[in-house]
Amino acid sequence: GAVVSQHPSWVICKSGTSVKIECRSLDFQATTMFWYRQFPKQSLMLMATSNEGSKATYEQGVEKDKFLINHASLTLSTLTVTSAHPEDSSFYICSARTTSGGPKETQYFGPGTRLLVL
Amino acid sequence: AQTVTQSQPEMSVQEAETVTLSCTYDTSESNYYLFWYKQPPSRQMILVIRQEAYKQQNATENRFSVNFQKAAKSFSLKISDSQLGDTAMYFCAFMKHGGDKLIFGTGTRLQVFP
Repeated sequence: GAVVSQHPSWVICKSGTSVKIECRSLDFQATTMFWYRQFPKQSLMLMATSNEGSKATYEQGVEKDKFLINHASLTLSTLTVTSAHPEDSSFYICSARTTSGGPKETQYFGPGTRLLVL
Repeated sequence: AQTVTQSQPEMSVQEAETVTLSCTYDTSESNYYLFWYKQPPSRQMILVIRQEAYKQQNATENRFSVNFQKAAKSFSLKISDSQLGDTAMYFCAFMKHGGDKLIFGTGTRLQVFP
């Protein structure tokens, strides 16, 4: 139980294009999902907290217009990197908290999406 | 603000031996949760073990156990009978009760040698 998927697992795009990453909770409902960014050999950096049906809460220093987050249902959140540039290249990870059937304080993580912007 | 410190950037252990990873944290909260997550080379974050601060009993999950010292704000992870598959980055994390954000440490890279 508590499986989170991400799609795509990796993506290469040209500078200036937009990329959408999906995060799905497969066997549970998640009112809250989180988006992280991880640079090589570093810890996870929280970008934003996404609540179903409401606007995402962004961490300080994260550009809202650059990283668009939508949480339209209890099982799906999307992160869109708009007008991507090489400095946006990174590993993006989502996580979700279950609303029932398990400890509510535990976050379950997706497998991550590797983004390379050329 | 809460902080989590992992003072060992890298550790190594021989297969079948025991290794302990250190984690300390700083908080003024009295009720909170602590976690150890494992990130193998696949980079999938996997929950290893969780501890509720109001429970004095140390959490255990098969070969993984913690030594939770609330007064010292210490939360170390012991891995017994280490296996090659335990090779990974290990992150200690904190969440206050009623909160939603995980505060991660910088991680410890564990290498298990045959």
